[in-house]
Amino acid sequence: GAVVSQHPSWVICKSGTSVKIECRSLDFQATTMFWYRQFPKQSLMLMATSNEGSKATYEQGVEKDKFLINHASLTLSTLTVTSAHPEDSSFYICSARGERDYNEQFFGPGTRLTVL
Amino acid sequence: GQNIDQPTEMTATEGAIVQINCTYQTSGFNGLFWYQQHAGEAPTFLSYNVLDGLEEKGRFSSFLSRSKGYSYLLLKELQMKDSASYLCAGMDSNYQLIWGAGTKLIIKP
Repeated sequence: GAVVSQHPSWVICKSGTSVKIECRSLDFQATTMFWYRQFPKQSLMLMATSNEGSKATYEQGVEKDKFLINHASLTLSTLTVTSAHPEDSSFYICSARGERDYNEQFFGPGTRLTVL
Repeated sequence: GQNIDQPTEMTATEGAIVQINCTYQTSGFNGLFWYQQHAGEAPTFLSYNVLDGLEEKGRFSSFLSRSKGYSYLLLKELQMKDSASYLCAGMDSNYQLIWGAGTKLIIKP
């Protein structure tokens, strides 16, 4: 199956700083990437959908100025958490979908963010 | 609205069989997915059903009834490593996944 990587795997930062998370599709071209957030013992919550070369579509309640998403190429999308606060501490997971099969999403391993 | 319902937690015995049910309501329907998620890890794909019936894949099987908006995941010959959360997700007409809250499966020796 297709491989999606995320970097970093985990990050600890101070409150008020910004953190960038990268999501890469390693062996296919991802026309669409999805960013999810998951709090402990809860299910995945879709934050935004990004299509290569266009602006991301954010879900209701997700601040687009706080969670900046850039999908500059067919293999890379980035999520930047700006001015992070402790309540942003969560598990962030990306998934990617190619242009051939809309029914398949391939998940990255996730990034655990802890904001002190 | 769109909604996925599945039990919060289930307990089963090693070597036994367990069935995890899921009911769904989506705007349009492009299939039903089951994922396994171990604590601290990303979900891994288990199965995909878009037509009615049973799909068998080794120890795991998944069933779909579109008329009832119902699916189940059947796990046979349970192993301790099957202890995980099992996520049911429906894909709507926009090819967006609508996620259930997950069923935590506890396997006892």
